[in-house]
Amino acid sequence: QVQLVQSGAEVKQPGASVKVSCKTSGYTFTDYYIHWVRQAPGQGLEWMGRINPKGGGTDYAQKFRGRVTMTRDTSISTVYMEMFGLRSDDTAVYYCARRVAVAGTNWFDPWGQGTLVTVSS
Amino acid sequence: QSVLTQPPSASGTPGQRVTISCSGSSSNIGTNAVEWYQQLPGTAPKLLIYRGNQRPSGVPDRISGSKSGTSTSLAISGLQSEDEADYYCVAWDDRLNGLVFGGGTKLTVL
Repeated sequence: QVQLVQSGAEVKQPGASVKVSCKTSGYTFTDYYIHWVRQAPGQGLEWMGRINPKGGGTDYAQKFRGRVTMTRDTSISTVYMEMFGLRSDDTAVYYCARRVAVAGTNWFDPWGQGTLVTVSS
Repeated sequence: QSVLTQPPSASGTPGQRVTISCSGSSSNIGTNAVEWYQQLPGTAPKLLIYRGNQRPSGVPDRISGSKSGTSTSLAISGLQSEDEADYYCVAWDDRLNGLVFGGGTKLTVL
């Protein structure tokens, strides 16, 4: 079955960077975009951006441009999200999700289990 | 603050019908398909509705979606205690060139 398995929780100091991985399995890696969505404690979902695993092209939400980089390694069917210059308000659960596209319609399925990133001194 | 506007909370008693609204603009809901997700505490979101009113397999038909202009709604009839969760609408925004989420609605079953 299709699975997205993310790396474990991280604790970082302000100003540091973090790299979260999302290992995919059960489908052809290059056939589906992977998106990243985050959720601060007690808050809603926030779209961060997406990567096309086929060519590596990316699109980022304006808020994260210049501070987030999404990459992929096709040899191990894994996508990465790296965030720089961490601040306390970056404390959140970070999700990766596969974007299904059928006949002009899209949806997320499945989602990774989420990775908690805590930024604290 | 969210591009798509949802009420922060909704509630109903078991068996009732509840609707959750999601308001946007011509650049998102007015032009593009809407999805709805349910999120139980401590878990990843789960797809409920895509293309505004389509249910994936496994989602009961007491859950439905509708759209009118730049607004969309999620309806849950025959409310059950297991429906207590957070609900989010999401759509592509052509002006922002990205996905936008609603702020989420916490549904309480009284």
